[in-house]
Amino acid sequence: AQSVTQLDSQVPVFEEAPVELRCNYSSSVSVYLFWYVQYPNQGLQLLLKYLSGSTLVKGINGFEAEFNKSQTSFHLRKPSVHISDTAEYFCAVSAYSGGGADGLTFGKGTHLIIQP
Amino acid sequence: DVKVTQSSRYLVKRTGEKVFLECVQDMDHENMFWYRQDPGLGLRLIYFSYDVKMKEKGDIPEGYSVSREKKERFSLILESASTNQTSMYLCASGTSMGQGTYGYTFGSGTRLTVV
Repeated sequence: AQSVTQLDSQVPVFEEAPVELRCNYSSSVSVYLFWYVQYPNQGLQLLLKYLSGSTLVKGINGFEAEFNKSQTSFHLRKPSVHISDTAEYFCAVSAYSGGGADGLTFGKGTHLIIQP
Repeated sequence: DVKVTQSSRYLVKRTGEKVFLECVQDMDHENMFWYRQDPGLGLRLIYFSYDVKMKEKGDIPEGYSVSREKKERFSLILESASTNQTSMYLCASGTSMGQGTYGYTFGSGTRLTVV
């Protein structure tokens, strides 16, 4: 089974400052990695995903993430945040179980708070 | 774009009622999932299905059942609703190619309150 740890439950950042949201995972098999964003009272929206290839993945809204296999990490970054980036961010992992596709396993989320 | 539609945004039900949450997707995805979301606990997988009439238990299946009679529709059933099932319920669908799952599309969620 796989697991995901988001190290920070809440991250306050000033507008236009850079931000990093941390995510670590554990799995005994190869994984795919995802970041989702949830704006208030909405469902989850895919920000970006790592399937294979380049370890630096670019997503929507100026976000990017870097897959580090040796550190089992997939941290999300943005060089300059905007007030509209205030949301809950979820890191997720998918691993092949052998009996079909497993559901994604999610971290507990990081609430990004942008301060003016 | 894939669309995942959950039939209700808000529901209020009484303890002991049988509750049906409906989810429909329009992109012929083979995999469908039900999660519940609670503050501080993140998303937890209740059940998932990778084919019609197939179902698999997730991490917290107790008190729930599911039905998938057609590929596009995945229903979550609370057999006898209890107050500890008050939560946000999220449906998702996705496709698998090779190893693992290529991410999901989520519905907007159903906020269920059991009184």
